[in-house]
Amino acid sequence: EDKVVQSPLSLVVHEGDTVTLNCSYEVTNFRSLLWYKQEKKAPTFLFMLTSSGIEKKSGRLSSILDKKELFSILNITATQTGDSAIYLCAVYYAGNMLTFGGGTRLMVKP
Amino acid sequence: EAGVTQSPTHLIKTRGQQATLRCSPISGHTSVYWYQQALGLGLQFLLWYDEGEERNRGNFPPRFSGRQFPNYSSELNVNALELEDSALYLCASSRGGTTSRITEAFFGQGTRLTVV
Repeated sequence: EDKVVQSPLSLVVHEGDTVTLNCSYEVTNFRSLLWYKQEKKAPTFLFMLTSSGIEKKSGRLSSILDKKELFSILNITATQTGDSAIYLCAVYYAGNMLTFGGGTRLMVKP
Repeated sequence: EAGVTQSPTHLIKTRGQQATLRCSPISGHTSVYWYQQALGLGLQFLLWYDEGEERNRGNFPPRFSGRQFPNYSSELNVNALELEDSALYLCASSRGGTTSRITEAFFGQGTRLTVV
């Protein structure tokens, strides 16, 4: 059965800390992996990764995909309270409508 | 430009009743996707509509149904509500086509359905 697993389930850090969120997957006909940030209700798109080893970066956020080991990480450096959210990982594969992991709930304390 | 809009924001229903949730896609988008996000769980795919047709369906019972109107807005109906149907229901929209463009979709704010 296709699955996407995120870890940790939740994380509490202080402002300025660096965090690493993990996403592992087991799917057939993998096409891409996406990261979303869900602050209140609407998930907002962060990154889409299709190739191994190529880092995507946006400000303090970066992400990389390892297609051999079937995982991706999302890094957030110099965290701020505004980074508090649920981070969702989703995998797109042939004939699929995105399979989401359970999410990582990040809380950044002042 | 308006984003994906969903109504109502919150909905409280009694077990056994029917719920109707609505979604208006971004202008120019013809595909609408529905997802369920139960507490503590990731998003689960429900339905995909494009050009008024149901293109794909997730692993949900038939009492979850919907439709898409000529203006591309969409309705999700949940019949014979059960307590475990309590969840956030998210709608997303994208440009259309016979192949899903879900990776390009934008999500709405969702409807929080509570079944008591």
